[in-house]
Amino acid sequence: EAGVAQSPRYKIIEKRQSVAFWCNPISGHATLYWYQQILGQGPKLLIQFQNNGVVDDSQLPKDRFSAERLKGVDSTLKIQPAKLEDSAVYLCASSPGASGGAYTQYFGPGTRLTVL
Amino acid sequence: QQQVKQSPQSLIVQKGGISIINCAYENTAFDYFPWYQQFPGKGPALLIAIRPDVSEKKEGRFTISFNKSAKQFSLHIMDSQPGDSATYFCAALRGNTPLVFGKGTRLSVIA
Repeated sequence: EAGVAQSPRYKIIEKRQSVAFWCNPISGHATLYWYQQILGQGPKLLIQFQNNGVVDDSQLPKDRFSAERLKGVDSTLKIQPAKLEDSAVYLCASSPGASGGAYTQYFGPGTRLTVL
Repeated sequence: QQQVKQSPQSLIVQKGGISIINCAYENTAFDYFPWYQQFPGKGPALLIAIRPDVSEKKEGRFTISFNKSAKQFSLHIMDSQPGDSATYFCAALRGNTPLVFGKGTRLSVIA
């Protein structure tokens, strides 16, 4: 089966600009996650969706970050305006959700964002 | 209560040797403990995982040892190969919740 797809793979922007990332999860996966991975650290959750509803966005900096998952499939993550400390890899992951195999999360290749 | 502490930060092992990475957790509600392998420029890939009702799980050269009373678990890579050189993350979660990751261990296997 096809894996989690993300685009773009790399993005370089100036601070205060806006940027958007796209994620297409594994077909049929109900749960979608966005993680931020700063260089040298483990991924940290930004937001979790169950179908098209938000389950957990407690760690999302809502003054500048927003995310949506229309129709419970693809998702976009937006940063506006970007700050230097947003430089990181943004990982999308999906899992089957409440039914069987819910615990296994599959990651996409990530989008490496550099803010200058 | 949500932390997962991982050590060492980096590890150098001779080809054919055993690589051992350790993790400790605090939240006893965690019920799934995966290990992820990440190569440069790639997303983390699930390597092996264990539930707390099992003390050991082996898949090929990879073994997880789990000590529920000590709240610790470890990854053992037997017969380490240069191709195993990557960053390894332990993680934990409860149910259909986000993964809580350790800070990672950069493994280098030298010939």
